[in-house]
Amino acid sequence: EAGVTQFPSHSVIEKGQTVTLRCDPISGHDNLYWYRRVMGKEIKFLLHFVKESKQDESGMPNNRFLAERTGGTYSTLKVQPAELEDSGVYFCASSQSGLDTQYFGPGTRLTVL
Amino acid sequence: DQQVKQNSPSLSVQEGRISILNCDYTNSMFDYFLWYKKYPAEGPTFLISISSIKDKNEDGRFTVFLNKSAKHLSLHIVPSQPGDSAVYFCAASTSQGGSEKLVFGKGTKLTVNP
Repeated sequence: EAGVTQFPSHSVIEKGQTVTLRCDPISGHDNLYWYRRVMGKEIKFLLHFVKESKQDESGMPNNRFLAERTGGTYSTLKVQPAELEDSGVYFCASSQSGLDTQYFGPGTRLTVL
Repeated sequence: DQQVKQNSPSLSVQEGRISILNCDYTNSMFDYFLWYKKYPAEGPTFLISISSIKDKNEDGRFTVFLNKSAKHLSLHIVPSQPGDSAVYFCAASTSQGGSEKLVFGKGTKLTVNP
């Protein structure tokens, strides 16, 4: 069974540009989560989808971040325009039900110059 | 305001000995606790979990202990192996509120020396 996959693995962009991160959850997992780890700090929750609906987006930093999950399969996280403080590793996780173990992808390392 | 704290950024142990990683939390609404292991350039990998109705859960070489009155949990690895060298994250969640988001500590880097 394939695990959670994320694309790209690395992205380097200039401040003010737009970047879109993609996450493909484990097949059949209705719950999809986005997290972020800024250098040296803890992994922080961004938002939670149940199928295509946003269950909880309390961790989204500001309106420069837009997450979508059309059709309830893969998800994208767009940052527009990117700022220096957006640099970090963005992790996606999925679970079958909300109370099940969350399985993480390898992450996308975003560097904003 | 960190709700999950791992106060030891690093720990070094000898192969074959016991590794004890500690975690404290402040939110009494947390009722599910997990440990994840992370290797460089990889995502966190689930290791073991414990519900707040238990005080101990064991899986092979890994045991997690929960002390609710102290709001403290620990992960014991015995015997420790060099392949256990990784960053270990403690995480917590609550079944209340409709979103089972995980709240993580900053991690403890474990080094197991041969």
